[in-house]
Amino acid sequence: AQSVTQPDIHITVSEGASLELRCNYSYGATPYLFWYVQSPGQGLQLLLKYFSGDTLVQGIKGFEAEFKRSQSSFNLRKPSVHWSDAAEYFCAVVHSGGYQKVTFGTGTKLQVIP
Amino acid sequence: KAGVTQTPRYLIKTRGQQVTLSCSPISGHRSVSWYQQTPGQGLQFLFEYFSETQRNKGNFPGRFSGRQFSNSRSEMNVSTLELGDSALYLCASSLGLGQGFPNVGKLFFGSGTQLSVL
Repeated sequence: AQSVTQPDIHITVSEGASLELRCNYSYGATPYLFWYVQSPGQGLQLLLKYFSGDTLVQGIKGFEAEFKRSQSSFNLRKPSVHWSDAAEYFCAVVHSGGYQKVTFGTGTKLQVIP
Repeated sequence: KAGVTQTPRYLIKTRGQQVTLSCSPISGHRSVSWYQQTPGQGLQFLFEYFSETQRNKGNFPGRFSGRQFSNSRSEMNVSTLELGDSALYLCASSLGLGQGFPNVGKLFFGSGTQLSVL
């Protein structure tokens, strides 16, 4: 079954530092991969998605992610973190033939310190 | 354009009761999905409705059910509540077109209904 794994439960970075959140996927074919963000008390918001083509995808709020088939990874990056980026980040995959059945990873909670 | 609206925002029930949660999708969206979010299990897919038909279902007991109306609004119902049903229930809407379209997996979430079962 398709799945995504986020190995880091909690990450702390200093404001202005770079950020990389890890995501590994398990999928037989080329997956549809996503990153979502959830601020406290809110629903999730789509940051970016990968379907095919260019392996480096740009998203909203200055985020980008790189798809690496050889490593089964889809890591999220941001060159300079702002305090407002503190939130929980979820990697996700859509099931083949599953229309909008999205499977989410367990999430990585990002703390930003001044 | 108004976002996804979920009501109520908070709900407190006791074991054995039943509950109905409501979700109004973004105008023009025909797919509505429901997710349960808990600290221990994370986000788990409950079901998805498209044009009043259940198109996908997660691994939840039959106590969890849903439906979608002709205006795409959706409700989910949980009967015979258990303590373990305490969770944030999130609704997400999307255009819901089939695979291969750019809107696959592109979900717009509401703020959720926080259900507490005592």
